[in-house]
Amino acid sequence: EPEVTQTPSHQVTQMGQEVILRCVPISNHLYFYWYRQILGQKVEFLVSFYNNEISEKSEIFDDQFSVERPDGSNFTLKIRSTKLEDSAMYFCASSRPPNTEAFFGQGTRLTVV
Amino acid sequence: DQQVKQNSPSLSVQEGRISILNCDYTNSMFDYFLWYKKYPAEGPTFLISISSIKDKNEDGRFTVFLNKSAKHLSLHIVPSQPGDSAVYFCAARRAGNEKLTFGTGTRLTIIP
Repeated sequence: EPEVTQTPSHQVTQMGQEVILRCVPISNHLYFYWYRQILGQKVEFLVSFYNNEISEKSEIFDDQFSVERPDGSNFTLKIRSTKLEDSAMYFCASSRPPNTEAFFGQGTRLTVV
Repeated sequence: DQQVKQNSPSLSVQEGRISILNCDYTNSMFDYFLWYKKYPAEGPTFLISISSIKDKNEDGRFTVFLNKSAKHLSLHIVPSQPGDSAVYFCAARRAGNEKLTFGTGTRLTIIP
């Protein structure tokens, strides 16, 4: 069964450093997303990406964040200067209209120290 | 932002019995609702969904009910099995929008 894959599974970084989280969405999907879950809190939407551009972003997705689809298979989330409060599980997801359900990867646990 | 609420943080059910998980929403613009199941250290796994034009959708042991006037939906699992022990998230989407808004989750424990 096709699945969304994310690397790395765990990333530890120092505050102020840049991190890139990587995702390979399901191959025939058209919409790509990043969500995050801070420990003990709900899963929160960060950004959606369609047709090589951001289609929607949340208030959390400020100038420190960027997304890119550098080739036909990868989808990345970059955090330019990490803060302690960026520590969370980051989930990549993808979907293919007309189906609405998004399929999630297993997540990357980002720890900022 | 409490547009989607799951008021029960946890629920314990005997194996073989029915599990009922509840979800309330406040945004009347939501037109599609989904349930996801999540195990520790894994991503949410899609279970079942329902469009606002329906009031019930069934898939095997899982049934979702939608009461639009009450802005309430529920997930029924019957019979409950030990492998159903997980955190269940309700999520909602607005028409013409791909973003999912999640509830806080309910931890379901099936007691053998």
